[in-house]
Amino acid sequence: DSGVTQTPKHLITATGQRVTLRCSPRSGDLSVYWYQQSLDQGLQFLIQYYNGEERAKGNILERFSAQQFPDLHSELNLSSLELGDSALYFCASSASGQGGSPLHFGNGTRLTVT
Amino acid sequence: GNSVTQMEGPVTLSEEAFLTINCTYTATGYPSLFWYVQYPGEGLQLLLKATKADDKGSNKGFEATYRKETTSFHLEKGSVQVSDSAVYFCALSPVTGGGNKLTFGTGTQLKVEL
Repeated sequence: DSGVTQTPKHLITATGQRVTLRCSPRSGDLSVYWYQQSLDQGLQFLIQYYNGEERAKGNILERFSAQQFPDLHSELNLSSLELGDSALYFCASSASGQGGSPLHFGNGTRLTVT
Repeated sequence: GNSVTQMEGPVTLSEEAFLTINCTYTATGYPSLFWYVQYPGEGLQLLLKATKADDKGSNKGFEATYRKETTSFHLEKGSVQVSDSAVYFCALSPVTGGGNKLTFGTGTQLKVEL
């Protein structure tokens, strides 16, 4: 058990809808990351937060947004969903936001857009 | 930009066989290098890491050596078990600049048979 909790485990929704994925980091970790895993794109980095502030941004679409709250949990909001957004979304956390810190991953949220 | 290249899978081995999964990288400077493992239905777990040239990371019988001259970080295990069946990801993290954006390879599926 990595200590990173993601909810929900599965989400099925229709195109055009909006969903929110939630992540609680490992106790003591200040940095949270979001990754998207799909068969054709592999693991894609979306965004990183450190202690509530955005630290690094990757290939995150404008339809997607995220935030990290004062209690350090994070939410990833996906809107105007398209079929191609169907993927496994992972949250990870680390103690430090610095390069070289190992990440601890949750078990992911599987999003299916129909 | 940074990139990681892994050998294509799946790799199928008999139990007690020797394992090598090749990984090469492209990055500026001296990134930290990682191997992660993903078991079915789970998130990625850190397997081992190395932070500088000639470092050897090791864990659970797996080893990888950071080779700056060949920009490689090949994963090896002397005797695989059925329980090692999983997908293995090589990754790098730059230690300079803002954030801790890990770049992953495409993953190599390992199947170990009796």
